[in-house]
Amino acid sequence: EPEVTQTPSHQVTQMGQEVILRCVPISNHLYFYWYRQILGQKVEFLVSFYNNEISEKSEIFDDQFSVERPDGSNFTLKIRSTKLEDSAMYFCASSPTGTGYKDTQYFGPGTRLTVL
Amino acid sequence: GEDVEQSLFLSVREGDSSVINCTYTDSSSTYLYWYKQEPGAGLQLLTYIFSNMDMKQDQRLTVLLNKKDKHLSLRIADTQTGDSAIYFCAESHDGNTGKLIFGQGTTLQVKP
Repeated sequence: EPEVTQTPSHQVTQMGQEVILRCVPISNHLYFYWYRQILGQKVEFLVSFYNNEISEKSEIFDDQFSVERPDGSNFTLKIRSTKLEDSAMYFCASSPTGTGYKDTQYFGPGTRLTVL
Repeated sequence: GEDVEQSLFLSVREGDSSVINCTYTDSSSTYLYWYKQEPGAGLQLLTYIFSNMDMKQDQRLTVLLNKKDKHLSLRIADTQTGDSAIYFCAESHDGNTGKLIFGQGTTLQVKP
């Protein structure tokens, strides 16, 4: 069964450093998402991406965040200058379509980002 | 604004039924979902319900939706130890980009 994969599973970085979290969505999916979950808090939407551009982004997704689909298979989240409060589990998801019941989002296992 | 709330913890005995509850605030919610998260794994979609439905049954899972009270529940019949996980309620609505709004998750502990 096709699945969303994410690398690395755990990333440790120093405050102020740039990190790139990588995701490989399911191959025939068109919509891509990033969510994050700070320990003990809710899963929060960060950004959705379709047709090589951002469809929607949350207030959390400020100028230090960017997303890219550099080739036909990868979907990346870059955090330019990490802060302590960026420590969280980051989930990538993809779906065949954007809305409706057919928009089942398939989630990856997550990348745990620890900022020291 | 949009908000989804769940109780944090539920403990049941193996073989009993589990009922996990969720409330939401967005009256324009169109689709409501239940996701399951096992340790070290991603979020797995269990089931969904469209807002014009009251109930949906899928094997051991029954979803009840009270749209007036904005209350959603997930009933797991004959709960097994393998059902131990975190269960997330989520909502989305047409007109947006598929963004899901999640509750904080309910940890289900199943005792043998």
